[in-house]
Amino acid sequence: KNEVEQSPQNLTAQEGEFITINCSYSVGISALHWLQQHPGGGIVSLFMLSSGKKKHGRLIATINIQEKHSSLHITASHPRDSAVYICAVRSRSNYQLIWGAGTKLIIKP
Amino acid sequence: GAGVSQSPSNKVTEKGKDVELRCDPISGHTALYWYRQSLGQGLEFLIYFQGNSAPDKSGLPSDRFSAERTGGSVSTLTIQRTQQEDSAVYLCASSLEGGTGELFFGEGSRLTVL
Repeated sequence: KNEVEQSPQNLTAQEGEFITINCSYSVGISALHWLQQHPGGGIVSLFMLSSGKKKHGRLIATINIQEKHSSLHITASHPRDSAVYICAVRSRSNYQLIWGAGTKLIIKP
Repeated sequence: GAGVSQSPSNKVTEKGKDVELRCDPISGHTALYWYRQSLGQGLEFLIYFQGNSAPDKSGLPSDRFSAERTGGSVSTLTIQRTQQEDSAVYLCASSLEGGTGELFFGEGSRLTVL
């Protein structure tokens, strides 16, 4: 079992839909990152969380430390949101990053 | 600079040649990571520098790969005797010391070994 599990692996939705991507982890962490990678593009950090909830525009990220689970939500999804979304956790023991496999999101117009 | 800078952005080389890839992290960031990403694949960890601590080299795939970080700033990833399977995008990321900083990625260096 991977230390960081993302679901779903692939997600296709219609423009305007509310999107949820999940990330579960099994190690003690100091922080959790959500990142975005567009096809052929660079990687952009969306959020860094250690507790609670953060919001940036149409994106919301939450984390439940006790349950070792985080979610990334996209409200009013748009085709430009189509990308791979990656969850990564920073190990509390050695600050090393452990990466999820990514969720490929396609938003159809 | 304002962000993580990597060079070259593209490198085409012949099998057997050595290549050097450079990463200039954000000023003040003491944590620096090298990853590589093959086409359609996820990120593969290569090496991690944190301040003056010994680097974590556990991800380097073979002894043909090495990296150094001079003066706690610029890092160079060297691949000796390149092979076709080394073709990938090599990504560098940096963050503040302590492991709690936000990650900032460079645009990557695309390496093609013919």
